Amino acid sequence: RKEVEQDPGPFNVPEGATVAFNCTYSNSASQSFFWYRQDCRKEPKLLMSVYSSGNEDGRFTAQLNRASQYISLLIRDSKLSDSATYLCVVFRSSASKIIFGSGTRLSIRP
Amino acid sequence: EAQVTQNPRYLITVTGKKLTVTCSQNMNHEYMSWYRQDPGLGLRQIYYSMNVEVTDKGDVPEGYKVSRKEKRNFPLILESPSPNQTSLYFCASSFVGQGSGELFFGEGSRLTVL
Repeated sequence: RKEVEQDPGPFNVPEGATVAFNCTYSNSASQSFFWYRQDCRKEPKLLMSVYSSGNEDGRFTAQLNRASQYISLLIRDSKLSDSATYLCVVFRSSASKIIFGSGTRLSIRP
Repeated sequence: EAQVTQNPRYLITVTGKKLTVTCSQNMNHEYMSWYRQDPGLGLRQIYYSMNVEVTDKGDVPEGYKVSRKEKRNFPLILESPSPNQTSLYFCASSFVGQGSGELFFGEGSRLTVL
């Protein structure tokens, strides 16, 4: 079983829709959590960090549930430009490990 | 401009011919890392370095070597490439104290081994 698991998708939704992804992690020692965005054949870029209290950045909301060991990303009012792969990233300082999920592909249609 | 620079961006080579992919960052980051990305497998860490002369294996180090003689450079060496090392490679850097989260990636190096 992978340490960080994501639904690979693809999620195909119309413009303006709300879409949510989950990511589960298996190691309870995981400390920090992030969502990265990766466009086709490009390098990943940080989208947002994920805090226990939840955090919002414009149309994007990230949540962390430590008890159930998952993080989520919600995108509201989706735009065509949101089409990308979204990577869940987990960090464990005890092992200096940064673990990437395999990514969830999102495609927004007009 | 803050950046991570990888070279070459694209390379086709043959089995057994040694090659080096260079990585350089201008942000004075202590932490540097190499990943490979393959369809369905996501990003897998090859090697990482917490500082000069400090390197450690990641999840898939077999067939690769690295060195960290200077803070800014972290080359990836394939002594005898094989076809299963055909992949998209990313170098990344960050400040130590990775809880800050942001890894800065190079643009990637697409390697094909025939």
